[in-house]
Amino acid sequence: EDQVTQSPEALRLQEGESSSLNCSYTVSGLRGLFWYRQDPGKGPEFLFTLYSAGEEKEKERLKATLTKKESFLHITAPKPEDSATYLCAEETSGSRLTFGEGTQLTVNP
Amino acid sequence: SAVISQKPSRDICQRGTSLTIQCQVDSQVTMMFWYRQQPGQSLTLIATANQGSEATYESGFVIDKFPISRPNLTFSTLTVSNMSPEDSSIYLCSVAGQGRGYTFGSGTRLTVV
Repeated sequence: EDQVTQSPEALRLQEGESSSLNCSYTVSGLRGLFWYRQDPGKGPEFLFTLYSAGEEKEKERLKATLTKKESFLHITAPKPEDSATYLCAEETSGSRLTFGEGTQLTVNP
Repeated sequence: SAVISQKPSRDICQRGTSLTIQCQVDSQVTMMFWYRQQPGQSLTLIATANQGSEATYESGFVIDKFPISRPNLTFSTLTVSNMSPEDSSIYLCSVAGQGRGYTFGSGTRLTVV
């Protein structure tokens, strides 16, 4: 069964304090690993798609990496506006996305 | 990437009634997806809707409870039938982007009282 596990569940950082979020996924039939940002009351906003181990993608203060069993979302020098829930999802056959429970990030000024 | 308009954005409904949620996309797409996000939880796929064919439901979701229509390549509806308080959730539609992952609507926040 496809399963995605994210850690930690919640993370509090001070502004400028870099950290990483973890996403573990099942390896059977992976077609893509997605990262989304979700703000309260809104739908998920697409950040990155990673397809193969060793791949990395960056956008502003965010960098996503992928290994054979995990993905990391690195946040460098975060700002309060980076506060949100970050979701990862595994795409498998039939264009199904299986989401993790998310990491709720709070960045304090 | 596609722009999705979802209506209504929120609603409060009486138990035993039904609510139909609309999803309009600004471009033609083959597959549309409906998700549920229960309070404090992540997203769960309800069904996949292809134009011209019956929707494909995930385990735990049935057509009698969540009938879906897909009359054309830009529009779909999801009905939540015979509602109970356990159906209180955010319902989201989604489409596959072109190289930009899957795009989501802003969601419909449903409260059943």
